Amino acid sequence: GQQVMQIPQYQHVQEGEDFTTYCNSSTTLSNIQWYKQRPGGHPVFLIQLVKSGEVKKQKRLTFQFGEAKKNSSLHITATQTTDVGTYFCAGPGTGGFKTIFGAGTRLFVKA
Amino acid sequence: NAGVMQNPRHLVRRRGQEARLRCSPMKGHSHVYWYRQLPEEGLKFMVYLQKENIIDESGMPKERFSAEFPKEGPSILRIQQVVRGDSAAYFCASSGGAGGSYEQYFGPGTRLTVT
Repeated sequence: GQQVMQIPQYQHVQEGEDFTTYCNSSTTLSNIQWYKQRPGGHPVFLIQLVKSGEVKKQKRLTFQFGEAKKNSSLHITATQTTDVGTYFCAGPGTGGFKTIFGAGTRLFVKA
Repeated sequence: NAGVMQNPRHLVRRRGQEARLRCSPMKGHSHVYWYRQLPEEGLKFMVYLQKENIIDESGMPKERFSAEFPKEGPSILRIQQVVRGDSAAYFCASSGGAGGSYEQYFGPGTRLTVT
């Protein structure tokens, strides 16, 4: 079945270091979304990428969608303690109705 | 606050009892999704509903689980005869359009504990 995989599962960084999480889909995606979930909280939508090769920035966050529309990445420059949480990528499931989430990358930031 | 609302936030049930989880979507949204999340794990899709219709329930167990989204009132996720393995956080999300191409707004979740 369709799968969306994320690596790494966990990442520990020192505050100020950069962080990247990678997302790979077993199928071509019409779009990819990224969400952030703080510990004990609920997922919050960050961004949606639609075009092949698209790059979007939100302050220290840079999102990329691969040329083949099967992979994506989220890069955080100079992490801060407020970046702590789990970052999920998500894409439309087969048939387009449901959303398939990756397992997430949990980011720990040490001050 | 017109965000997605879920209640109860915490629910404790004994094995064999029924659990009813409620979700009121964001104002103006008629598309609702239910997800289950185990501790330290990702979000597992359960069901996608529109008003009065179940569109995709491929992620929902065939037995004991049911969902509805009536014309009036909140969406309900119902778990009959709960077992310990049902303990999880259940999140509801709503969107303004059909399918996986629209951003989803999540509620705070219901933490279900089965004792």
